[in-house]
Amino acid sequence: KAGVTQTPRYLIKTRGQQVTLSCSPISGHRSVSWYQQTPGQGLQFLFEYFSETQRNKGNFPGRFSGRQFSNSRSEMNVSTLELGDSALYLCASNQGTVANYGYTFGSGTRLTVV
Amino acid sequence: DQQVKQNSPSLSVQEGRISILNCDYTNSMFDYFLWYKKYPAEGPTFLISISSIKDKNEDGRFTVFLNKSAKHLSLHIVPSQPGDSAVYFCAASEAAGNKLTFGGGTRVLVKP
Repeated sequence: KAGVTQTPRYLIKTRGQQVTLSCSPISGHRSVSWYQQTPGQGLQFLFEYFSETQRNKGNFPGRFSGRQFSNSRSEMNVSTLELGDSALYLCASNQGTVANYGYTFGSGTRLTVV
Repeated sequence: DQQVKQNSPSLSVQEGRISILNCDYTNSMFDYFLWYKKYPAEGPTFLISISSIKDKNEDGRFTVFLNKSAKHLSLHIVPSQPGDSAVYFCAASEAAGNKLTFGGGTRVLVKP
């Protein structure tokens, strides 16, 4: 079955702009999480969506937001980009049930802010 | 406040030998632990997991050990292969399927 698909793979934006990243989870997976990976901070949890509702949120400023659609696809938006937002943004999906564990990650979107 | 720590940033091992990766955590609410492997420019790939009710879980060449009293887990790879060269992350969650808290990663190099 198809894995987690993230688009675009690479993105270059200018400071102050906004950006939207997209994630299509594995078919049947209802939970989508977003993570940011930077050399200095490692992998950090941004937020999780389940059935179109934000279920968990990490410690990121309000400039970072997301949403999930009825088909479980998710988008992440970052407004007023800063140089420090340059990172690999990873999306992961999971069936979202208690009995299930582990997330399947996509290949990520590499965002560069200049 | 780093709740999950991997104190060894890198590890070099000879092909065929054992690789042992260590991970410590501080949050006693964590009850599920996972190991991921990551190649550059790719997302992490799930390797193996363990619930806090167990102290060992094995899957092929990979074995994870959990010492709950010491808040310590380790991943053993036996035998190590050159294709195992990657960055390994341990992660923890308070409930299965919940958010993951990652360690900083250990870069493993397996020499032929």
